[in-house]
Amino acid sequence: SQTIHQWPATLVQPVGSPLSLECTVEGTSNPNLYWYRQAAGRGLQLLFYSVGIGQISSEVPQNLSASRPQDRQFILSSKKLLLSDSGFYLCAWSGIAGARTDTQYFGPGTRLTVL
Amino acid sequence: DAKTTQPPSMDCAEGRAANLPCNHSTISGNEYVYWYRQIHSQGPQYIIHGLKNNETNEMASLIITEDRKSSTLILPHATLRDTAVYYCIVRVIGAQKLVFGQGTRLTINP
Repeated sequence: SQTIHQWPATLVQPVGSPLSLECTVEGTSNPNLYWYRQAAGRGLQLLFYSVGIGQISSEVPQNLSASRPQDRQFILSSKKLLLSDSGFYLCAWSGIAGARTDTQYFGPGTRLTVL
Repeated sequence: DAKTTQPPSMDCAEGRAANLPCNHSTISGNEYVYWYRQIHSQGPQYIIHGLKNNETNEMASLIITEDRKSSTLILPHATLRDTAVYYCIVRVIGAQKLVFGQGTRLTINP
């Protein structure tokens, strides 16, 4: 079966510091990968998605970036964090688009607090 | 913006069936209805999805009206662990973005 991991689970960072969040998926090949953010009391916002190694699409302009160095690894980064970057960051994966297997499955999330 | 409307909160007694409604009156012919739930401080959990026929799996049943303008998620025997926020989402297969609304906060009472 497929599993998705995220780390760290929680993170407290000062404003202006860098960020690196990691997501890995096991038990599947060529997944679509996604980064969402959930601000306190709000819905999920899609930040980035990737359909393959090195292929990144951005949904919203921001000071965050994403990379996919390996098939089942997705990284969310920032060079300088802002207070508004605080939130719950969720990674998700799905199978081949256009099939019933493209349901998105979410990881456990990383709670980021920027002070 | 979310294309679905759900009641903000509901209560259900443990052991009873929990019926969560969702209105999606502007749904298109190629849009599926998806349900997820989010237990506090965890990632959303996929529950079920369907197009126009009723669907059932080990977690729940999904009843979609004939005109597809509304649906109901049924948890047949609710337990305390089913306390969560439940999200109803409409989505075209292959669309990259899931648009989560505010959902329904379901509380299962002992």
